[in-house]
Amino acid sequence: ILNVEQSPQSLHVQEGDSTNFTCSFPSSNFYALHWYRWETAKSPEALFVMTLNGDEKKKGRISATLNTKEGYSYLYIKGSQPEDSATYLCALLILYNFNKFYFGSGTKLNVKP
Amino acid sequence: NAGVTQTPKFRVLKTGQSMTLLCAQDMNHEYMYWYRQDPGMGLRLIHYSVGEGTTAKGEVPDGYNVSRLKKQNFLLGLESAAPSQTSVYFCASSFTVNTEAFFGQGTRLTVV
Repeated sequence: ILNVEQSPQSLHVQEGDSTNFTCSFPSSNFYALHWYRWETAKSPEALFVMTLNGDEKKKGRISATLNTKEGYSYLYIKGSQPEDSATYLCALLILYNFNKFYFGSGTKLNVKP
Repeated sequence: NAGVTQTPKFRVLKTGQSMTLLCAQDMNHEYMYWYRQDPGMGLRLIHYSVGEGTTAKGEVPDGYNVSRLKKQNFLLGLESAAPSQTSVYFCASSFTVNTEAFFGQGTRLTVV
């Protein structure tokens, strides 16, 4: 079983603050990394699919970077809003077993108005 | 667009009872997955399917069976429910492994 770690486990920020969190994973046999946003009482929704070392992706105020050589990805939120409050999950796909996603346990973000 | 639909949304079972959870997707996706989500554990893969008629075990398959007789449906069965199977179950589907997965709304199962 692969170890995909997300840090911090939870984060409390004020509205307007920018924030970031980390997904760490084994760098060998990397295939792809997905980021999902999971609001309470809803189902996870995809944010980004990242495949190449050095990838940077952006969707509105949210962006992500990927370093496959050192095995980490950062998710950034600029000017956090209360509606950004959610759990952010990363999921790893590896070579030779790319039918399975290996999920981290998530970073729970709470943005206070 | 319906996307991924799970039924039922809630269920309470007695130990030893059986039930089937249905996942239906209308996006013509090849890949379908069943996960369980427990506090502090994240999402753990139970079983998955890479196409109609195929299924494979995930991380935590014991106590569950699955079937994918039709491309759009992926069924998760509990033959003899145990309290350890109390969890929230999520189904997901994707077109390929490298495209985003779409999740159902979850099924909250309690086994007493």
